[in-house]
Amino acid sequence: AQTVTQSQPEMSVQEAETVTLSCTYDTSESDYYLFWYKQPPSRQMILVIRQEAYKQQNATENRFSVNFQKAAKSFSLKISDSQLGDAAMYFCAYRWDSNYQLIWGAGTKLIIKP
Amino acid sequence: DGGITQSPKYLFRKEGQNVTLSCEQNLNHDAMYWYRQDPGQGLRLIYYSQIVNDFQKGDIAEGYSVSREKKESFPLTVTSAQKNPTAFYLCASSTLTSGRNNEQFFGPGTRLTVL
Repeated sequence: AQTVTQSQPEMSVQEAETVTLSCTYDTSESDYYLFWYKQPPSRQMILVIRQEAYKQQNATENRFSVNFQKAAKSFSLKISDSQLGDAAMYFCAYRWDSNYQLIWGAGTKLIIKP
Repeated sequence: DGGITQSPKYLFRKEGQNVTLSCEQNLNHDAMYWYRQDPGQGLRLIYYSQIVNDFQKGDIAEGYSVSREKKESFPLTVTSAQKNPTAFYLCASSTLTSGRNNEQFFGPGTRLTVL
């Protein structure tokens, strides 16, 4: 069965510094997608970044980038130049290509220290 | 603006009552989903639907029911059979196209509390 694990329940970082959130997953599929979603205190779930498994190049969206290690089944999120607005719960999610359901990790709470 | 609306934002239920959570989308998405979110846990899928008048159980469907009479609407009923319904409920929708562009979009959620 596919699973997603986020081993860090909480992380903190100083404003303007860089932080990396970890995610590992387990699957026997070869074609799949990985996502990082952000849930701020408003609880609105927002897509941060996505990665297609067939792409070797790591996805990047402005200050957000991923380190995708397919063989290790690892998908970490790096946030550069952390801002106060980045404070939120961050969820890692997985979807395999032939199915539209998402499998979710338990989330990491990110605290930004001013 | 296109998006997903959920109502009400907060809902209180007495034990033994059924309550219905509303979810509407104007994104013209074929697929819609209901998730439950509890503290310290990821989202868990309750039900999903890929076409009108058809839906499938997710991982935690017991005590819940849904309908999909219109493409835009996917209401969730929390029945009295659900033993621990206090939680945050999120509705989402997506296209059914293959590839990267079928991300799920989320509504603002409904917080259900059993009194």
